[in-house]
Amino acid sequence: AQSVAQPEDQVNVAEGNPLTVKCTYSVSGNPYLFWYVQYPNRGLQFLLKYITGDNLVKGSYGFEAEFNKSQTSFHLKKPSALVSDSALYFCAVSDSGAGSYQLTFGKGTKLSVIP
Amino acid sequence: DSGVTQTPKHLITATGQRVTLRCSPRSGDLSVYWYQQSLDQGLQFLIHYYNGEERAKGNILERFSAQQFPDLHSELNLSSLELGDSALYFCASSVVPSHNEQFFGPGTRLTVL
Repeated sequence: AQSVAQPEDQVNVAEGNPLTVKCTYSVSGNPYLFWYVQYPNRGLQFLLKYITGDNLVKGSYGFEAEFNKSQTSFHLKKPSALVSDSALYFCAVSDSGAGSYQLTFGKGTKLSVIP
Repeated sequence: DSGVTQTPKHLITATGQRVTLRCSPRSGDLSVYWYQQSLDQGLQFLIHYYNGEERAKGNILERFSAQQFPDLHSELNLSSLELGDSALYFCASSVVPSHNEQFFGPGTRLTVL
């Protein structure tokens, strides 16, 4: 079974500082990894994905993620955090079993950016 | 705005009742996924429909069922509701089942009293 783990329930960072939200994965076969963000009372918004290719993936709102196969990690990063980045972040893996490609999510990491 | 719509936005009902949640996918998307978000279980996959046919089931209770209609909208039916069914229910759509991103609706918040 495929799974992702987000080891931190909460990450606090000062505005303007770099931020990292951690994710590790466990898959059989090639990993297909995603980051989604959820703002209060909203649905999930897609940020970026890793399918194949470059290990550094660039996404929406200045976010990027680094895929590391040896460490089975897919950490989300941003060089300079904004207060408006405060939200719940989910790492996910796509499961192609049975041809469905449903997403398996981590438990989420709450990011708080402090002014 | 993802282009995925869900109704109703909020639903409050009593234990033992039955409710129907509705999802309209983005125009042109044939695939609809249902997910449940709760404090206990986090975000988990329930069921997937593709072009009217059930493609996969996840952690969906037998009291729950879904269908996708010819116009591609989908409905999730929850019956014999229990307190523990209180959660946020999301649908997501994609053009076809693939490793590409899914687009999520705003969710339906179900409260069972």
